[in-house]
Amino acid sequence: AQTVTQSQPEMSVQEAETVTLSCTYDTSESDYYLFWYKQPPSRQMILVIRQEAYKQQNATENRFSVNFQKAAKSFSLKISDSQLGDAAMYFCAYRNLNTGFQKLVFGTGTRLLVSP
Amino acid sequence: SAVISQKPSRDICQRGTSLTIQCQVDSQVTMMFWYRQQPGQSLTLIATANQGSEATYESGFVIDKFPISRPNLTFSTLTVSNMSPEDSSIYLCSVEDFDRAFFGQGTRLTVV
Repeated sequence: AQTVTQSQPEMSVQEAETVTLSCTYDTSESDYYLFWYKQPPSRQMILVIRQEAYKQQNATENRFSVNFQKAAKSFSLKISDSQLGDAAMYFCAYRNLNTGFQKLVFGTGTRLLVSP
Repeated sequence: SAVISQKPSRDICQRGTSLTIQCQVDSQVTMMFWYRQQPGQSLTLIATANQGSEATYESGFVIDKFPISRPNLTFSTLTVSNMSPEDSSIYLCSVEDFDRAFFGQGTRLTVV
């Protein structure tokens, strides 16, 4: 079974600084997606960024970028120029691309604190 | 992207009672998903709801405890039955659009 591990329960960053959240996963599959979701206090899960495993290029969305190391099964999220609104729980998630429905597998989350 | 409306947003319920959570999507979707997020924990899939068929439950979740309805392609309900304090969680509805998931704002349930 696939598993997703986030080893940092909580991280802190100051406004305008950069922070990296770690995620590792375990799978024997070769085709899959990886995601980072953000859950602010409003509880709504918001997709931050997505990476297809077959793509070597790291995904980027404005201030958010990933460092995808397929061989190491590592998928970290870098937030640049941190803003107060970035404070939230961040969940790493995995889905493989075998035929048929494949559920999302979530990590345990990292709480990001942003200080002025 | 899909817009999902979920209600109620929160509720406090007495043990032994049941609560039905509604999920409305602004477009037709084949599959809808219900997740549970226990306090301080990650999301766990409860079941997958397909229109016109029985929901498919994940290991550890049963239909008697979490009956699900899916009367059409834009709506689903999850009932939490015979509640106990251990059912206090956030319950989230989700749909998928090609290669990403969208979530409702969740229902925070407290059982006293």
